[in-house]
Amino acid sequence: QKEVEQDPGPLSVPEGAIVSLNCTYSNSAFQYFMWYRQYSRKGPELLMYTYSSGNKEDGRFTAQVDKSSKYISLFIRDSQPSDSATYLCAMSAGNAGNMLTFGGGTRLMVKP
Amino acid sequence: DTGVSQDPRHKITKRGQNVTFRCDPISEHNRLYWYRQTLGQGPEFLTYFQNEAQLEKSRLLSDRFSAERPKGSFSTLEIQRTEQGDSAMYLCASSWGQSTGELFFGEGSRLTVL
Repeated sequence: QKEVEQDPGPLSVPEGAIVSLNCTYSNSAFQYFMWYRQYSRKGPELLMYTYSSGNKEDGRFTAQVDKSSKYISLFIRDSQPSDSATYLCAMSAGNAGNMLTFGGGTRLMVKP
Repeated sequence: DTGVSQDPRHKITKRGQNVTFRCDPISEHNRLYWYRQTLGQGPEFLTYFQNEAQLEKSRLLSDRFSAERPKGSFSTLEIQRTEQGDSAMYLCASSWGQSTGELFFGEGSRLTVL
């Protein structure tokens, strides 16, 4: 079993919908949680970064972390066709090297 | 452009050949990471440097792989005697000091081994 699980999708939604993306993890040492967006044939781009449990909002994006359930979420409001990409969750224990463990990514398609 | 730069963007090679990828990190970043990503999967950690010191290597990094970061600036990742299973996207990322999670990735170098 992988340390970080993520539904690969694809997830198809109409423009303007609220999108919910999720990851579960097994390593209780993870303290730092990130969401990256990756367009086809491009490198991952950092979207959201949170420490420990709680919520963080940035524009149309909201990240939630529930450490007790080992579950993190990314919500996208008013989704746009330009949001169509693969969304990767990533996490680290904050150790010296800060190596990230990624989920497999969820492919999102927002249809006009 | 002051982002992470990788070269070449795509390399096609025959099995058994050696290949080398280069990464130029964001100039003020002292940490540099290499990750590998296969189709439909998330990136997997390979190795990281703090300045010129290689401080961690994943067990995924077989003896055919070697990475260097002379003078703590750019880095190279060499794969010797390539195998078809090496076909993947090789991603470089950099970060600064004590930052925890804010890795900035390059566009990647895609390797195809025939």
